[in-house]
Amino acid sequence: AAGVIQSPRHLIKEKRETATLKCYPIPRHDTVYWYQQGPGQDPQFLISFYEKMQSDKGSIPDRFSAQQFSDYHSELNMSSLELGDSALYFCASSYDRGVFGYTFGSGTRLTVV
Amino acid sequence: AQTVTQSQPEMSVQEAETVTLSCTYDTSENNYYLFWYKQPPSRQMILVIRQEAYKQQNATENRFSVNFQKAAKSFSLKISDSQLGDTAMYFCAFMKQAGTNAGKSTFGDGTTLTVKP
Repeated sequence: AAGVIQSPRHLIKEKRETATLKCYPIPRHDTVYWYQQGPGQDPQFLISFYEKMQSDKGSIPDRFSAQQFSDYHSELNMSSLELGDSALYFCASSYDRGVFGYTFGSGTRLTVV
Repeated sequence: AQTVTQSQPEMSVQEAETVTLSCTYDTSENNYYLFWYKQPPSRQMILVIRQEAYKQQNATENRFSVNFQKAAKSFSLKISDSQLGDTAMYFCAFMKQAGTNAGKSTFGDGTTLTVKP
C-alpha cells in the first residue's frame, strides 16, 4: 500500500540557509499535517492543510511557510535557518480530517550547522 | 487548550509479560478522539489504537487494548504478551472532533518502552 513519502530523508544546512521539505500524502487523503520533533521530545504541530487550504497553524516560526499544491503534495519552506531548527520533521496525512488517526511519513532529519 | 500527560518517561517489561502505559488528558470537550502511536527506533510513527470518546467500549487491536475512563480523563494502553518488536516510544494523542483545531492532534511527551528478552 502507498505510504506518506517525505524527501529528503536527511538534510544538512548551514545557518541562515534555506531548506525545502517535501511531502507526498496517501492518495485520497484530504488533510496534510507538518510536525517538528526535537530529540527525545514529542511532536509539535506546525501547520495543516485540508483540501489544499491551510486549516490550522501551530507554533510555526514566521521564517517557515508551507503550502499544498494541486497534486496534493505539500512543501515546508524554512528560511534563515537557525541551529535550533535542527529536528526531525514529520509529515502526516489523513482522511476525514484525522478521525481515524494519521499516517506518518518517515520524516526528514534536518541538521543545521 | 488541551493537554496530554504521560507520567512514565521510561518503562521496561519482560518478553511475554503484560505492561500498561498511562495517559491522562485535560479538555472541556465532550466529543473527541484518543490515539496511541508507536515510534520504534526506526523513527516512523505508527498508529496503534484509536478510541472515540462517545463509545464506552474500550478499543482492542490484537495484543493492544485501552482502558478509557472518560470521567477520569484517563486513557491507558495495555500491551499483552509483549514482544521484542514492541520496543519503542509510545505517544498518547488527543484530537477534538469539531470546532477550532479539530483534526489537529496534541501529543503527550511519550513513554519509552523497552521489552527485555
